[in-house]
Amino acid sequence: GESVGLHLPTLSVQEGDNSIINCAYSNSASDYFIWYKQESGKGPQFIIDIRSNMDKRQGQRVTVLLNKTVKHLSLQIAATQPGDSAVYFCAAAGPGYSTLTFGKGTMLLVSP
Amino acid sequence: DAGVIQSPRHEVTEMGQEVTLRCKPISGHNSLFWYRQTMMRGLELLIYFNNNVPIDDSGMPEDRFSAKMPNASFSTLKIQPSEPRDSAVYFCASSRRDEQYFGPGTRLTVT
Repeated sequence: GESVGLHLPTLSVQEGDNSIINCAYSNSASDYFIWYKQESGKGPQFIIDIRSNMDKRQGQRVTVLLNKTVKHLSLQIAATQPGDSAVYFCAAAGPGYSTLTFGKGTMLLVSP
Repeated sequence: DAGVIQSPRHEVTEMGQEVTLRCKPISGHNSLFWYRQTMMRGLELLIYFNNNVPIDDSGMPEDRFSAKMPNASFSTLKIQPSEPRDSAVYFCASSRRDEQYFGPGTRLTVT
């Protein structure tokens, strides 16, 4: 089966810094990946996704990088803000989309 | 769009009681997912439906758990009888293609 894990359980940064959250996945056949943000008391919120035929995708202040060689995924947040404080989950699916397998999450703490 | 709607938001019940959690997916989404989230185990997929048909229920912990989707706009997750170890936040999510949209969750406490 698929397992998805995170390297760092907690990441503390200063406001304005760039943040990088890492994720490893085990199934080399995974072909779709998502990053979710979960604030306290809320459900996971979609941030950005990427397919295995890409190695980089950019959104607003966020960039996802995919390294299929080492089965590694990262989320970069530029100019981190206090409102970015949350738990971030990576999730993987495939081959062929069926269901998502979630990592355990990384807590991002942004200090003003 | 109102997003995925779940009710109740909080449920406190005594061990042995029946609990029913409800979900209304986003209109037009044809897949619905039930997840359970705990600190120890993270987000676990319990069951998912496609076009109202259960596709994979391998994540359902045991026979005490059951889920139904009688139509495209409503699903229930039932626990009978409930046990303290069922205490968790239960999320419903829906999707039309790949991206899943989550509801706000139901926090269940079984005493």
